[in-house]
Amino acid sequence: GENVEQHPSTLSVQEGDSAVIKCTYSDSASNYFPWYKQELGKRPQLIIDIRSNVGEKKDQRIAVTLNKTAKHFSLHITETQPEDSAVYFCAAQFYFGSGTKLNVKP
Amino acid sequence: DAGVIQSPRHEVTEMGQEVTLRCKPISGHNSLFWYRQTMMRGLELLIYFNNNVPIDDSGMPEDRFSAKMPNASFSTLKIQPSEPRDSAVYFCAIASGGAAEQYFGPGTRLTVT
Repeated sequence: GENVEQHPSTLSVQEGDSAVIKCTYSDSASNYFPWYKQELGKRPQLIIDIRSNVGEKKDQRIAVTLNKTAKHFSLHITETQPEDSAVYFCAAQFYFGSGTKLNVKP
Repeated sequence: DAGVIQSPRHEVTEMGQEVTLRCKPISGHNSLFWYRQTMMRGLELLIYFNNNVPIDDSGMPEDRFSAKMPNASFSTLKIQPSEPRDSAVYFCAIASGGAAEQYFGPGTRLTVT
């Protein structure tokens, strides 16, 4: 099956700074790459996704990039806020990375 | 909880007992997934169904785990016999296919003592 690797496992930034999370995948047939946010004690929820026919997608402070040749994709959060603190998961189709715990310090 | 109902929400059981977790999708999605989440192993895909048929069960840990989906509105994940290492949060999720947004249920927190 698919193998998704995610880095870093933890990320601490100052409020207002940018945060970047990177993922790689193994199966070149994967064509859907969602990102989920999970707050403590809650279920994962989709924040943004990208399909293989698109290289970049943006939604307000969140953007994702995809490099199909290199099989990697990234999540960029700009102007981070304390409420962005959570665990973020990347996925290739429905196979998840190990998660990144983002802490935004006020 | 719109989209997926899971029961029970919490389950505490003793080692060796049978555990059955239930998932009830509310809306009409044709794919259903079972995940297990632990601190050590993250969010692991156990099995997924498409149109009620198991497609990939390679993530099922061992023969102690089994899953069924008798119809589009109900699925079960059974552990028999349970072991302490099965303690985790088990999520059910639904989607309209394998390349679509997943909607997660609230999860079942299982503790095996």
